[in-house]
Order: sequence, then C-alpha cells, then structure tokens
Amino acid sequence: DGGITQSPKYLFRKEGQNVTLSCEQNLNHDAMYWYRQDPGQGLRLIYYSQIVNDFQKGDIAEGYSVSREKKESFPLTVTSAQKNPTAFYLCASSSGLAGYEQYFGPGTRLTVT
Amino acid sequence: GENVEQHPSTLSVQEGDSAVIKCTYSDSASNYFPWYKQELGKRPQLIIDIRSNVGEKKDQRIAVTLNKTAKHFSLHITETQPEDSAVYFCAASMYNQGGKLIFGQGTELSVKP
Repeated sequence: DGGITQSPKYLFRKEGQNVTLSCEQNLNHDAMYWYRQDPGQGLRLIYYSQIVNDFQKGDIAEGYSVSREKKESFPLTVTSAQKNPTAFYLCASSSGLAGYEQYFGPGTRLTVT
Repeated sequence: GENVEQHPSTLSVQEGDSAVIKCTYSDSASNYFPWYKQELGKRPQLIIDIRSNVGEKKDQRIAVTLNKTAKHFSLHITETQPEDSAVYFCAASMYNQGGKLIFGQGTELSVKP
C-alpha cells in the first residue's frame, strides 16, 4: 500500500560505516518522524520535522542525523557515532498537529556487525 | 518531559474473554491519547484514540477510557479473538509539540483459542 514508504526493508552494514535510511510520503503531510524500536521496548523518537528545512531532536538523537529538503522526504543517517545501531527503524508522518493520526511506514531493519 | 508507563508487559487471555491494558502519563498538558496495534514484523496501526475533552470512546469491541485527574487511560478489548494477538502501544501527545508521540513500552497480548 502507498502512503508512506521506507527502503530498504533489510539493511546490513559493517561497524564504522554511515548508512542512510529512506522515508517518502505522498500524503501531503507537513510533519515526519523517525522512531527506533528495540525488542521488548516501545518506540523511541529520534528526530522529527514539522516543516521543510526544519527539524528537532527527539529523545535519542545522538549518533543520528536527518535532513528535510522536500516535504515528501525525510532521510535518516545512522552515523558511526551511534553506539548500538542495530534496531528496527520506523518512519511516520502526520498533519503535524496533536490529535491527528501518525501513519507509519513498513520499517527498515538495520543490522550492524 | 512527558513519560508514559504501560502495564502489563504481557497479557494472556482465553478467546472470548476481555483484555484491559493500562497506561499512565506524567504531563497534565497532554491532550491526545492514541492506541496502536503492531503485529509481528509489521508497522504499528492506529486502532482507537481519545482526546482530553472526552472520557470514553468505543469502536465495536474496542473502547478507551481516560481519567484526566488521575492521568491514566486504558484500552478495553471485549470478546477477544486470536487475531487480536499482537503488541499494543499507548501514546500521549501535546498540542504544542508538533504532534510528536511519547509511547509506552508495549503490551504483548496473546489470545488462546
């Protein structure tokens, strides 16, 4: 189904390498979000963006970077500074106002060895 | 900042029984409380939400209640079915925070036939 897409589904990298995860949406949503999910834990917010060319750190931004050059796209870079990057990464979008549903992408499972 | 606690972490019920999952939040300014269902390896999907001006909301077998004074909200699933088996997440957000959600740790619900 369309709406919000992430690629690739699975990603493998060696330690010390930066890697960029893709997130695209065609819902005309202003806000986009990146979450990290570890086994047995909830979703933790990495970064979010309410409008183009602007973004804010979430609760666990260290070792990650983002850009928001287009409304439709919000790529996440996992840098070598992220100490434990292996996780399931979920991107979401919404109208940007509280009280409106966040739509999630299918996720990218990143494994770093 | 906001903190959301969710209990229990695992819940096992017999088909046809009811299931209740409870969440508490810390910031009285939170005004939107969604519940997401995540099946294994899939994206979270919104199943029901409630705003702070409402005490209860129902949608077929699912209901959510909110107690603003005590700062807690609960998900109720009646007549559970095996397809209800999944991980359920509660979340909270505030109007002036760009729609970002703070999630609970999740409850793994298992419905036994």
